[in-house]
Amino acid sequence: GQQLNQSPQSMFIQEGEDVSMNCTSSSIFNTWLWYKQDPGEGPVLLIALYKAGELTSNGRLTAQFGITRKDSFLNISASIPSDVGIYFCAGFLSNYQLIWGAGTKLIIKP
Amino acid sequence: SQTIHQWPATLVQPVGSPLSLECTVEGTSNPNLYWYRQAAGRGLQLLFYSVGIGQISSEVPQNLSASRPQDRQFILSSKKLLLSDSGFYLCAWTSQGKAFFGQGTRLTVV
Repeated sequence: GQQLNQSPQSMFIQEGEDVSMNCTSSSIFNTWLWYKQDPGEGPVLLIALYKAGELTSNGRLTAQFGITRKDSFLNISASIPSDVGIYFCAGFLSNYQLIWGAGTKLIIKP
Repeated sequence: SQTIHQWPATLVQPVGSPLSLECTVEGTSNPNLYWYRQAAGRGLQLLFYSVGIGQISSEVPQNLSASRPQDRQFILSSKKLLLSDSGFYLCAWTSQGKAFFGQGTRLTVV
């Protein structure tokens, strides 16, 4: 099925570093969502974006809805050990058709 | 507030045995419901979605089936499990441009 292009696939970072990941698509989306999944758990919604150009923060997390409505990025500032996990982007093509990225695995170097 | 319940959390089943995973949503009516499967460290694969009672759409031909006998109940079934059915199964519902997940079921077919 259709999938968003999410990059990078994985990231190895030092604690305290900033993190950036993004998703792109050839289709226009009306909504962009960012999720975090911990091992053995369901994904949890971090940020929802509904307008082109919208910039939204949730604590150390910041996400933006691209002007073209075909992309979005998620930034994490000053990473901490509990940020480890898999981050997914998702977008609604219609009111029920939800398309997902393949995920970005965040690993913090000891 | 809306909540989603998915059970069991873990399941070990022999090859050839039947399967029934149940998901219920509370606090909302006529939700769009979804079943996803996730291989270890991988992305979300949409299996089925439903926009109403008795309405099931299948994304991937496979050994599984889904049913929606009530508005807020979504069931994933199999008559005979295969080894390849092992994985992490997630139920989700969407509302107002957001998706919410259950805690997931870890299925191991032996």
